[in-house]
Amino acid sequence: AQSVTQLDSHVSVSEGTPVLLRCNYSSSYSPSLFWYVQHPNKGLQLLLKYTSAATLVKGINGFEAEFKKSETSFHLTKPSAHMSDAAEYFCVVSDTGFQKLVFGTGTRLLVSP
Amino acid sequence: DAGVTQSPTHLIKTRGQQVTLRCSPKSGHDTVSWYQQALGQGPQFIFQYYEEEERQRGNFPDRFSGHQFPNYSSELNVNALLLGDSALYLCASSLAIDRGQETQYFGPGTRLLVL
Repeated sequence: AQSVTQLDSHVSVSEGTPVLLRCNYSSSYSPSLFWYVQHPNKGLQLLLKYTSAATLVKGINGFEAEFKKSETSFHLTKPSAHMSDAAEYFCVVSDTGFQKLVFGTGTRLLVSP
Repeated sequence: DAGVTQSPTHLIKTRGQQVTLRCSPKSGHDTVSWYQQALGQGPQFIFQYYEEEERQRGNFPDRFSGHQFPNYSSELNVNALLLGDSALYLCASSLAIDRGQETQYFGPGTRLLVL
């Protein structure tokens, strides 16, 4: 079964500093990987997805992630945090076939002024 | 372009009751998936509907059932509600032709509280 592990439950940064949210995956196949963001009392918004094309994936709002097969990682980064980035971030792997999404436990990003 | 919509936004029920949640997929999408997100946790897959059939099911009891209509909209039904069913229920839609490369788009969710 495919799974993801988000290595940090909380990450705190100052506005204007870089963001790194870490995710490792486990998959028997070439996986599809996603990062979703959830703001308080909101649904899930897709930030970016990897589907075996370029290993460096650019998403919305300045986020990007790099697929590293040798490390089974898919870390999310952003050069400069903004206050509006404060939210819960989920690393997600898709199961084969019918695309069941398997979510990590989430990382809460806190951004201080 | 209308996104995924869900109704109602909030719902309060008591133990033992039954509830129906509704979802309209993003325009042009034909596949609907349902997820349960308990407080402080990541969403868990309940089941997926395509061509009015349940295509895949997660580890949820038979109390959870669903339906997809010819217009691709979907319902999630939960019978004999338990306190532990309190959660945010998320609907996601996608396009079957993109299977293997598809992206699921999520609605805002229905927050269910069972007392």
